[in-house]
Amino acid sequence: AQSVTQPDIHITVSEGASLELRCNYSYGATPYLFWYVQSPGQGLQLLLKYFSGDTLVQGIKGFEAEFKRSQSSFNLRKPSVHWSDAAEYFCAVDLWGNKLIFGTGTLLAVQP
Amino acid sequence: GAVVSQHPSRVICKSGTSVKIECRSLDFQATTMFWYRQFPKKSLMLMATSNEGSKATYEQGVEKDKFLINHASLTLSTLTVTSAHPEDSSFYICSASDAQGVNTEAFFGQGTRLTVV
Repeated sequence: AQSVTQPDIHITVSEGASLELRCNYSYGATPYLFWYVQSPGQGLQLLLKYFSGDTLVQGIKGFEAEFKRSQSSFNLRKPSVHWSDAAEYFCAVDLWGNKLIFGTGTLLAVQP
Repeated sequence: GAVVSQHPSRVICKSGTSVKIECRSLDFQATTMFWYRQFPKKSLMLMATSNEGSKATYEQGVEKDKFLINHASLTLSTLTVTSAHPEDSSFYICSASDAQGVNTEAFFGQGTRLTVV
């Protein structure tokens, strides 16, 4: 069955440090992949998406993600974290026709 | 990007009553809309898929008689939580898609916080 795994439930980084959030998926075909961010009590904001082509995708707010087919991964990275990046991050796979399954989320805390 | 408006953003209702949540695509025609539920500190779980003019398709374990979904037009889908109970309290969020071609994405509403007292 299709699934999305985010191994890290909670991550704390210092402001200015680099960040990598992990995402692994299980899906039979070439997936469409997404990263979303959610602030407390808010909806979802799309950070970036991968459909095909270049496996390194750039998103908003300085985020990027790399699709690695051999590892079934789509990890999210940012070279220097800002305090405003503290939020919950969700990786998602498009099953078909924009029907998404989400990972369990990673809660990011940023220390001053 | 396209805009999806969800209303209300927050609602409190009494046990036994019904509450309706609206999801509107403001600047595109949404042939398909999805409803998700998010429990506190949990991920989003797909509840159902609705296509304009047809019955919604519910995910396994979702009670279709409790969560009524209507997608009467290309810009509006509604989720009605019937005979609400405290365990129905949750964050409900919709997404809308026109899915007219490849490499499309769905657009999310801002969510509705439902509290049943």
